[in-house]
Amino acid sequence: DVKVTQSSRYLVKRTGEKVFLECVQDMDHENMFWYRQDPGLGLRLIYFSYDVKMKEKGDIPEGYSVSREKKERFSLILESASTNQTSMYLCASSGTGFGGYTFGSGTRLTVV
Amino acid sequence: AQSVAQPEDQVNVAEGNPLTVKCTYSVSGNPYLFWYVQYPNRGLQFLLKYITGDNLVKGSYGFEAEFNKSQTSFHLKKPSALVSDSALYFCAALERDDKIIFGKGTRLHILP
Repeated sequence: DVKVTQSSRYLVKRTGEKVFLECVQDMDHENMFWYRQDPGLGLRLIYFSYDVKMKEKGDIPEGYSVSREKKERFSLILESASTNQTSMYLCASSGTGFGGYTFGSGTRLTVV
Repeated sequence: AQSVAQPEDQVNVAEGNPLTVKCTYSVSGNPYLFWYVQYPNRGLQFLLKYITGDNLVKGSYGFEAEFNKSQTSFHLKKPSALVSDSALYFCAALERDDKIIFGKGTRLHILP
C-alpha cells in the first residue's frame, strides 16, 4: 500500500517562528498536495506539485511556501507562524489516472 | 465553478439501522467521485470511488455509494450501521489535472 508519512503528529510553535512540515511518500507518485483542515471549512488546498521543483498555488497560499527538491518529499513552510495558522495540516499524494489521493495522518499545529 | 456539496453537517443513526450520507456534485464532463472517512486526529482514508460502469459502487467496511447522473448525486450508504462507523465523511470529485475538490464533510454519529 502507498504510504504517506508526515513527520510530526503534533507541533507547538511560537508566533514568528519559521515552521517546516515534512511529507514523504513511498510509491513514486507524481502529485503531492498540502491541505489545511478547519472545523466548518472542510479541506482547503494550500499548495500542490505535479513534479520535482514544480509548485502551484492552491486556494489559500498566503503565508505559506513549499519545496519539492525530491519526488518523494514535499515540504510546507510557514515563513513566520501566526496564531491564525493553528490548524490540522494534511499531506496527500496521487499518481496519474483516477486513483484518488492517499493521505498522511496529519499534523496538528498550534501556534501560541 | 465546480463544486461538491454535503447538505448535512451531521447525521445521527441508531446502531443497526441503515445509514445514508448525502452528496451532490457539479463538475464538467464525466464525474470521477470519491468518498473518504476521517477518524479523530487522523488523516483521510479512502472508502470508494466511482469512475465508470455500475451505478452502485462497493467499498471498504461494508459501505457502498449510489451514483445518480440525473440527480447529480453520489450518496454513501450502509445497510446496518455500527458504532465504529462514527466519523467524519467527505465526498470528493476530480476537478482537473488530478486535483480533487472536497465537500465540507458530514459528521456521522451512530447511537448505541
